[in-house]
Amino acid sequence: DAGITQSPRYKITETGRQVTLMCHQTWSHSYMFWYRQDLGHGLRLIYYSAAADITDKGEVSDGYVVSRSKTENFPLTLESATRSQTSVYFCASSESGRGNTIYFGEGSWLTVV
Amino acid sequence: GENVEQHPSTLSVQEGDSAVIKCTYSDSASNYFPWYKQELGKRPQLIIDIRSNVGEKKDQRIAVTLNKTAKHFSLHITETQPEDSAVYFCAASGPRIAGNMLTFGGGTRLMVKP
Repeated sequence: DAGITQSPRYKITETGRQVTLMCHQTWSHSYMFWYRQDLGHGLRLIYYSAAADITDKGEVSDGYVVSRSKTENFPLTLESATRSQTSVYFCASSESGRGNTIYFGEGSWLTVV
Repeated sequence: GENVEQHPSTLSVQEGDSAVIKCTYSDSASNYFPWYKQELGKRPQLIIDIRSNVGEKKDQRIAVTLNKTAKHFSLHITETQPEDSAVYFCAASGPRIAGNMLTFGGGTRLMVKP
């Protein structure tokens, strides 16, 4: 479980500020993901990456930016935070291909005031 | 894309009783169906999964069944214990879904009363 870590774990920021959530995995998994979890909406995919320098939008990508210059890191940036982006953010990774187990990080609790 | 519906949204059972959570999916090509358990304040963790070439899978007190024709799958927990209290998510993925994306159901909050 320590193979995928997120930072910060808790963050309070103001509307309009840029925020970056970090995600690091030590398994050399090809795939990495960012999900947000809100009450009543379950887990929704923001962005995913199949490999370094390859990223794709998920279901709720507006207002978010990602990069993946190295296999092990997948930071998520909120360019101009809004209150609607208050949520719990989970980074996740998967070995390869389809039908493989996805492992989640501990989560980052973000509050935008 | 895939759409996964999960029912019920909340479920309360007495300790020792069985609990059943059901999910339906829309894409007949989906072939991988995991279940995740999320305890309060923790990350979702895989508890069991099933692939489309199998109709049922068991692991101690938990089992998952898959009906490909009806496009639904279910999680069964027998002899429930207080530590089973958590939110459970079903998910589906398949060859028509880009990348390795899982589509999650909305979750079921299971409460086991001692």
